[in-house]
Amino acid sequence: AQSVTQLGSHVSVSEGALVLLRCNYSSSVPPYLFWYVQYPNQGLQLLLKYTSAATLVKGINGFEAEFKKSETSFHLTKPSAHMSDAAEYFCAVRGGGNTPLVFGKGTRLSVIA
Amino acid sequence: DTEVTQTPKHLVMGMTNKKSLKCEQHMGHRAMYWYKQKAKKPPELMFVYSYEKLSINESVPSRFSPECPNSSLLNLHLHALQPEDSALYLCASSQREGSSYNEQFFGPGTRLTVL
Repeated sequence: AQSVTQLGSHVSVSEGALVLLRCNYSSSVPPYLFWYVQYPNQGLQLLLKYTSAATLVKGINGFEAEFKKSETSFHLTKPSAHMSDAAEYFCAVRGGGNTPLVFGKGTRLSVIA
Repeated sequence: DTEVTQTPKHLVMGMTNKKSLKCEQHMGHRAMYWYKQKAKKPPELMFVYSYEKLSINESVPSRFSPECPNSSLLNLHLHALQPEDSALYLCASSQREGSSYNEQFFGPGTRLTVL
């Protein structure tokens, strides 16, 4: 079975500061990992995905994540936060075959001017 | 067209009403999903359709009835709902269910309120 743990239900950063959202996974098979963002009253939008092609994955809106097998982590980063980054962020994992996508509990990012 | 559309955007219904949620995609995806999302929680999987056949039902009460009329459309029929069913209902699609790296594309959701 697969699962993800997002450390910190709420992260607050200043505009222009580094964004770091933490995700650790548990999987008995090589995982496929995803980060989604959800703005208020909207659906989920894919930021980036890890599919074993490269450990450093670049996504949209300046976000990137690094897959570290030794640490079972897939943390999301952005060098400089923008006010428009304020949203809910979900880490998700799938195993092989027809296993469903499993979401973490989410991290709400606030950006302070 | 990389969009999943959902109608209506908002729905208010009484416990005795019958209503339907609609989802549509024109990306040629063969897997479609219904999720339920409560406030400040992650989405919870309800149903998965693969090639227009129901492949996963996550023990959802029978007052929720999914339907996949064709590869582009997914409906969720609602009947005799309870106030605790109030939530954001999200539809998603992916190229096919069995390929793990295929991301799911989500619609904007239907905000359902049951009175």
